[in-house]
Amino acid sequence: AQSVAQPEDQVNVAEGNPLTVKCTYSVSGNPYLFWYVQYPNRGLQFLLKYITGDNLVKGSYGFEAEFNKSQTSFHLKKPSALVSDSALYFCAALNTGGFKTIFGAGTRLFVKA
Amino acid sequence: GAGVSQSPRYKVAKRGQDVALRCDPISGHVSLFWYQQALGQGPEFLTYFQNEAQLDKSGLPSDRFFAERPEGSVSTLKIQRTQQEDSAVYLCASSPRPVSWDDNSPLHFGNGTRLTVT
Repeated sequence: AQSVAQPEDQVNVAEGNPLTVKCTYSVSGNPYLFWYVQYPNRGLQFLLKYITGDNLVKGSYGFEAEFNKSQTSFHLKKPSALVSDSALYFCAALNTGGFKTIFGAGTRLFVKA
Repeated sequence: GAGVSQSPRYKVAKRGQDVALRCDPISGHVSLFWYQQALGQGPEFLTYFQNEAQLDKSGLPSDRFFAERPEGSVSTLKIQRTQQEDSAVYLCASSPRPVSWDDNSPLHFGNGTRLTVT
C-alpha cells in the first residue's frame, strides 16, 4: 500500500533555531511531493512542492524542503524558526496519473519564544 | 469569494440522521476533491470530480456516502443514516486543472465541516 510517514508527532524548537520536520514516502514511480500547513480552525494551506530538478525546494514563509530519492524522504526545513510557525504540518504525495493525494498523519510544530 | 467555502462549519447529527455538506470551490476550478480527516490523522481521500464527472469514488467508506457536482461547480457530500464512526472533519479542495500525468497543481482547501454524530 502506498503511504506517507511522518515519524514525529511533535517537534519542539526554540525561536531562532533551525527546524526540521521529517517525511518519508512509499509511493510507486516518481510522485509529486508537497508540504501543507494547517492553523487552528483553518483548512490546509500549500507551502511548497517538489516536481523534478533541484533537490532543495524553496517555498512560502521561508520554508524549504530537501528531497532525497535514495532515502525516499522529503524533509521540511527552515533556518530560523518563528513563534508564528507553530502549526500542524502535513507531508503529501501524488502519484503521477493518479487522483489521490496521500497525506501523512501530520507533525505538530511548537516554536517557543 | 476568493477561496473554497464550506458549509455548515459545524454539524451535529443524531445517529441515523442524514446530513448534507456543501462545498463552493474557487470559481473556474475544474477539479474538486473531498477528504475526510479523523481526529489526529491526515486527510483521507474520498472522491474526485472533474467538472461534473465523478472520476474516482474509491475512497467513499460505504454506500451511505454519496457525492455530486451536477453543474460542475458546487458540490454536495451526503451521508445517509449517520454512524458515530462518521464523526470527522470533511474537507473540500479544488484545483484549477484536471488531474493528469503532468499536473502537479497544489490543492486549495476549504476550512472544513466538523461533523459530530451523537
